[in-house]
Amino acid sequence: GAVVSQHPSWVICKSGTSVKIECRSLDFQATTMFWYRQFPKQSLMLMATSNEGSKATYEQGVEKDKFLINHASLTLSTLTVTSAHPEDSSFYICSAPGGSLREQYFGPGTRLTVT
Amino acid sequence: GEDVEQSLFLSVREGDSSVINCTYTDSSSTYLYWYKQEPGAGLQLLTYIFSNMDMKQDQRLTVLLNKKDKHLSLRIADTQTGDSAIYFCAESRGSSASKIIFGSGTRLSIRP
Repeated sequence: GAVVSQHPSWVICKSGTSVKIECRSLDFQATTMFWYRQFPKQSLMLMATSNEGSKATYEQGVEKDKFLINHASLTLSTLTVTSAHPEDSSFYICSAPGGSLREQYFGPGTRLTVT
Repeated sequence: GEDVEQSLFLSVREGDSSVINCTYTDSSSTYLYWYKQEPGAGLQLLTYIFSNMDMKQDQRLTVLLNKKDKHLSLRIADTQTGDSAIYFCAESRGSSASKIIFGSGTRLSIRP
């Protein structure tokens, strides 16, 4: 089946630094990818839709200047958390839709800890 | 509040049936999903139902959809300890129906 990978799987960074998280579709092309954030014991909150060849669309309340998204190719989207703060510590998950509407492939997630 | 709502906890005895309920808001959702997330693991799609269906059965899983009330349920028959996890209800949105919005998740615990 289709696979979505994320890199890194976990990262620790200091406050004020930026962190880039990659999301790749390994055996299929994805013109659209989605980024979610999951706080401990909470649900997945959709942050933004990454669109290949155009700007990302952000959900209400998500700062686009803080969470930079670049859909560099048909198999790669990156999320950069800029000037990270401890409150940005979370589990970030990406997903990509498959060939049919019911298929949505999720990455394994990236755990970000900001100290 | 959550657009897709679920109760937070459910505890059942091993061997009994578990029923997890969900209410959603977007009547135009094309697909409704149930995902499972085990501790430290990624999301696993358990099952889905197309919006024009009332019921779908897949081995121990039965999904019921009441479009009028925007109510979705997941029944797990013969619940086992391996079923312990968080279960997320989700609905598809957007013009391409590929955007998925998740509920708060129901933590299912199994007691012996």
